[in-house]
Amino acid sequence: EAAVTQSPRNKVTVTGGNVTLSCRQTNSHNYMYWYRQDTGHGLRLIHYSYGAGNLQIGDVPDGYKATRTTQEDFFLLLELASPSQTSLYFCASSEDRGGYAEQFFGPGTRLTVL
Amino acid sequence: KTQVEQSPQSLVVRQGENCVLQCNYSVTPDNHLRWFKQDTGKGLVSLTVLVHENDKTSNGRYSATLDKDAKHSTLHITATLLDDTATYICVVGSFSNTDKVVFGTGTRLQVSP
Repeated sequence: EAAVTQSPRNKVTVTGGNVTLSCRQTNSHNYMYWYRQDTGHGLRLIHYSYGAGNLQIGDVPDGYKATRTTQEDFFLLLELASPSQTSLYFCASSEDRGGYAEQFFGPGTRLTVL
Repeated sequence: KTQVEQSPQSLVVRQGENCVLQCNYSVTPDNHLRWFKQDTGKGLVSLTVLVHENDKTSNGRYSATLDKDAKHSTLHITATLLDDTATYICVVGSFSNTDKVVFGTGTRLQVSP
């Protein structure tokens, strides 16, 4: 059974719309991450968390909020979606932040903002 | 400037052939380097991680090398299969107060029958 799941897998919204992307991990990992993947760029870190109630800012946080409600669940919030946020979003989890800790990725959510 | 550059951007090989993917980086410090495989429309799956100067790893038909002096890594795939069609992504990680990881843009490999 998949250890990192994301929902929805596809989402279409309009400019100014409100979107919530969900991620759940069953790895019992401390760290969870939200990335976006765009053509011509490597994955870019939006936000990450090291536990319930914690949130850390990533490299491209503008226009995004996130919340870690439990160890398992991490949500990405777009309160006023813009076309520039059209992207493929990945959630990941890891035991630790640095070191050799492997990140385990979800299947991705494709978001289109019209 | 891109901190992790991969080449070629795309590659087509025939099933059964070998191929080599390159990763050059400028990330400092470069404490570890990991190769991921990303099937179309799916998440990333780790293939191998390299840590030490002149490290070499092997995972089935996948093998990788790391030259920290040159800040360069290669991923070799031997006897390619159709299922090897995917994007291969190089990621360099640093131990620092930010514990940063930097992703390359990937090499798109297509294996033809």
